[in-house]
Amino acid sequence: DTGVSQDPRHKITKRGQNVTFRCDPISEHNRLYWYRQTLGQGPEFLTYFQNEAQLEKSRLLSDRFSAERPKGSFSTLEIQRTEQGDSAMYLCASSSTGGRTDYEQYFGPGTRLTVT
Amino acid sequence: GNSVTQMEGPVTLSEEAFLTINCTYTATGYPSLFWYVQYPGEGLQLLLKATKADDKGSNKGFEATYRKETTSFHLEKGSVQVSDSAVYFCALSSGGYQKVTFGTGTKLQVIP
Repeated sequence: DTGVSQDPRHKITKRGQNVTFRCDPISEHNRLYWYRQTLGQGPEFLTYFQNEAQLEKSRLLSDRFSAERPKGSFSTLEIQRTEQGDSAMYLCASSSTGGRTDYEQYFGPGTRLTVT
Repeated sequence: GNSVTQMEGPVTLSEEAFLTINCTYTATGYPSLFWYVQYPGEGLQLLLKATKADDKGSNKGFEATYRKETTSFHLEKGSVQVSDSAVYFCALSSGGYQKVTFGTGTKLQVIP
């Protein structure tokens, strides 16, 4: 397995447009996380899926944000009516329950969003 | 809630110098502790981890010891190289969902 992949790697959009990002986790991982990282800061948790169920959402995830993981495999994160404050790196991570490494998350390369 | 505080950077060292990056945390329960590294233009990579008190994580010459009594997880390396130049994030995870809480990152620059 080649690890967590994210698409696209870069996205430039105009304010008010909708954007969608995709994350493909490591194939046997049932846990999937989204984080947001702004310049000079550490990543901040956005939301968490176990299989297809979205079990936790951060207060950072306004109603313009929606995430899905329809079959418990890949996940999408959509931002509607983008604002300049949404400009950030969006990171996806996955992990597996059970076993000695069930706390270790593997991160994808991220999608860098620029809203103009 | 959970939080991680790490020393502000940037930290500039000469090659072969000793490195310490301080990290302290606040958490409920018994967190796992991590150091992640982000090289220029690359994604986050797990550098080392420790899951219980007094555990020592180590990798690539870096070490950190889980100190419950001082709620600390300081990163150390005896002799840094230019290739160690990167941003280092201290982090913890706890709770049933194991979401990770990160510090703000410390940029390390090693000069020849």
